[in-house]
Amino acid sequence: DQQVKQNSPSLSVQEGRISILNCDYTNSMFDYFLWYKKYPAEGPTFLISISSIKDKNEDGRFTVFLNKSAKHLSLHIVPSQPGDSAVYFCAATLYRNRSGTALIFGKGTTLSVSS
Amino acid sequence: NAGVMQNPRHLVRRRGQEARLRCSPMKGHSHVYWYRQLPEEGLKFMVYLQKENIIDESGMPKERFSAEFPKEGPSILRIQQVVRGDSAAYFCASSPGTRWYEQYFGPGTRLTVT
Repeated sequence: DQQVKQNSPSLSVQEGRISILNCDYTNSMFDYFLWYKKYPAEGPTFLISISSIKDKNEDGRFTVFLNKSAKHLSLHIVPSQPGDSAVYFCAATLYRNRSGTALIFGKGTTLSVSS
Repeated sequence: NAGVMQNPRHLVRRRGQEARLRCSPMKGHSHVYWYRQLPEEGLKFMVYLQKENIIDESGMPKERFSAEFPKEGPSILRIQQVVRGDSAAYFCASSPGTRWYEQYFGPGTRLTVT
């Protein structure tokens, strides 16, 4: 029973264009959403997060949009660069206690940016 | 600015042996999480620890797996009597407590059970 779903296993984009990675979730109680990037043989790297009380968060080339009514979020990368080629994981979390809680990950989307 | 450190990076064990995976969190971080990634899967939460305390072990298999985060030294994930299904990448993450939702990951330990 997957609570966080990334339905597109892969995405190919040309350098300079926009990359849009999508994520759906089922649990309306999630209160934070995060995106991580992962290169082969490395650990995931935190990219950007968004609180459930917001609908947009921006950090440089990365923007995350949250649509709570649709239980959907997306990561926009503009402009895409070849170095962005990696696996992108969407993750969500519940505020269980004051200090921390587990992340629930999707299966990932492999982004390939061609020059 | 050392990040999360894990060792060993690669570990090969025969069925029935024990595997010990170590994790040193980022400086100033007192919260440690362990995740497992099976082939073609996302990361799955295993356990959340603070110094000398297990806070949440809801993702840990009931048998053969244990974790600790002692007052001094790294966090240890221990797998006893390994089986082939334990072959996976094991990632450790740490967070500072504030901004608790941002977790910083180590490079992982790739366990292969032969």
